[in-house]
Amino acid sequence: GAGVSQSPSNKVTEKGKDVELRCDPISGHTALYWYRQSLGQGLEFLIYFQGNSAPDKSGLPSDRFSAERTGGSVSTLTIQRTQQEDSAVYLCASSPNSGGAHNEQFFGPGTRLTVL
Amino acid sequence: GEDVEQSLFLSVREGDSSVINCTYTDSSSTYLYWYKQEPGAGLQLLTYIFSNMDMKQDQRLTVLLNKKDKHLSLRIADTQTGDSAIYFCAEKADSNYQLIWGAGTKLIIKP
Repeated sequence: GAGVSQSPSNKVTEKGKDVELRCDPISGHTALYWYRQSLGQGLEFLIYFQGNSAPDKSGLPSDRFSAERTGGSVSTLTIQRTQQEDSAVYLCASSPNSGGAHNEQFFGPGTRLTVL
Repeated sequence: GEDVEQSLFLSVREGDSSVINCTYTDSSSTYLYWYKQEPGAGLQLLTYIFSNMDMKQDQRLTVLLNKKDKHLSLRIADTQTGDSAIYFCAEKADSNYQLIWGAGTKLIIKP
């Protein structure tokens, strides 16, 4: 079946512009995660959605970052007034449950964001 | 806070065994994971181990867990060029949905 998809795969933007990154999780997966991957760094957690519960936004680095998940499925990560330090690969993952026991996360291919 | 550490690079000859090491700090970890990221792709779960186990083997992969030293390793036997990737270690506490990730070890295969 279809895995997690993300679009666009690459995005080049100018400093100060807003960008929207999209994630389509695996159908039926209730949990959705956004991560940021910078060169030589581990995965930086950004935000977590679980069903209809309020999202865990504790990883968002500034108020320029926001995310939505509509209808418990597709999610959009928005970065306003982009800065050069926002350049990274943004990864989305989904999982079939919320945690507790073993909880495999299924990752999309990522969106590579370059801010000039 | 919790931390997971890995070396950034490992270089091995094709056909040799690769051993990728990881240390973590969270004593409440229940699951420990190895994910593989091939160039231009997302991460894919390779294997995982529950904290009450000390070894797990799956074909060419062997995971060793030393819970006392909080040390996890991944051994890949007969390393092939297709094993070239970045390998991420991650740990999870039972009560937490989040994974704590290492920075990833890039495995380089020499002919």
